[in-house]
Amino acid sequence: EVQLVESGGDLVQPGGSLRLSCAASGFTFSNYWMQWVRQAPGKGLVWVSRLNGDGSTSNYADSVKGRFTISRDNAKSTLYLQMNSLKDEDTAVYYCGRGCFSDSTGCVAHWGQGTLVTVSS
Amino acid sequence: DIQMTQSPSSLSASVGDRVTITCRASQNTRGYVNWYQQKAGKAPNLLIWTTSNLQSGVPSRFSGSGSGTDFTLTISSLQPEDSATYYCQQSSSAPITFGQGTRLEIK
Repeated sequence: EVQLVESGGDLVQPGGSLRLSCAASGFTFSNYWMQWVRQAPGKGLVWVSRLNGDGSTSNYADSVKGRFTISRDNAKSTLYLQMNSLKDEDTAVYYCGRGCFSDSTGCVAHWGQGTLVTVSS
Repeated sequence: DIQMTQSPSSLSASVGDRVTITCRASQNTRGYVNWYQQKAGKAPNLLIWTTSNLQSGVPSRFSGSGSGTDFTLTISSLQPEDSATYYCQQSSSAPITFGQGTRLEIK
């Protein structure tokens, strides 16, 4: 069974940093694109970033480009999101997701439960 | 960037009704449009991938169609458990984008 478990969400001050983790199990992690999607309280889904299986190709939403870095450790089956220079508008539940198929770059078939990041002074 | 405009933003329908949600892309998506259902407090759930492919385990009352820039999610016979927010998503090119969502209420 595919499982994705996010962690690392917390209350952080504006300008601060946080690293989110997503521990994966139940599939060959290195074969899949992985993504981060966020959802501000009461709002819709917003795509954040994606990373290919070997970690060589990544993309970011304009709103986080230059501040957030996606990475992965395939030996640990774990996806990361390093978030720097956090802003109030980064407050959201952050979900990690696995591609539908090994070559799926956007479709997300499996989701974690989400981790809450609150940016506030 | 490809913008996804979803309509309606909300709707109310009765059990057994046929419901249609549409999504219009600002550019050709080459059919790479996916649909998700999200219930309150839960992670999204994939319903349809690449326009019309039903995800494993999803009831057959859900279907997707469309091409180019215009796409549709249809629920053929609405059930009480279908009360949720529905999102389209284009995965044709980065940045990936979602529609703003359609909140579906059961009368």
